[in-house]
Amino acid sequence: GQSLEQPSEVTAVEGAIVQINCTYQTSGFYGLSWYQQHDGGAPTFLSYNALDGLEETGRFSSFLSRSDSYGYLLLQELQMKDSASYFCALISSGSARQLTFGSGTQLTVLP
Amino acid sequence: NAGVTQTPKFQVLKTGQSMTLQCAQDMNHNSMYWYRQDPGMGLRLIYYSASEGTTDKGEVPNGYNVSRLNKREFSLRLESAAPSQTSVYFCASSESVMMTFFGQGTRLTVV
Repeated sequence: GQSLEQPSEVTAVEGAIVQINCTYQTSGFYGLSWYQQHDGGAPTFLSYNALDGLEETGRFSSFLSRSDSYGYLLLQELQMKDSASYFCALISSGSARQLTFGSGTQLTVLP
Repeated sequence: NAGVTQTPKFQVLKTGQSMTLQCAQDMNHNSMYWYRQDPGMGLRLIYYSASEGTTDKGEVPNGYNVSRLNKREFSLRLESAAPSQTSVYFCASSESVMMTFFGQGTRLTVV
């Protein structure tokens, strides 16, 4: 099976940079993706990595190291609206791809 | 552009009752998914449909059935609801699973 580990909570101040780590165990996968979910809302796609390295999308960047079974989401210039839960998810390999989610990291941004 | 639409948004069932959760997407995606999310946890895959006419079990299929009615619609049925099925249910669709779009969720309580 597959499993992912994330910190349950992270706190940072407005304007700062925060990194949310994700370690995983799997026998094979296509890539690692990240989703944001505000309280009571739907998960929304942020970023994904199919290859090792850094992917940058505006204030958000995501990193993957397959050799270390590790990835992270980097949020820069934090804003109050970034307070939310962030989930990493493994994208399965094969023709019928699926997502396996971690249990999420609750980010609180303080003024 | 509606994206993924789920109905109903809220539902209370008595133990043993049945119901069907409806989902429709207007993005012409081939793949559709049903997830459940329990408090403080990530999303767990119940069933998925990689294309019209096909369905497959996910991580937690017991107690559920699905129907891929056409390319747009994917329904989830609880034949005999149990308190353990109290959860938030999300329908999702994707073309490549690298970017998956979620509906707003159905909050189901089984008493």
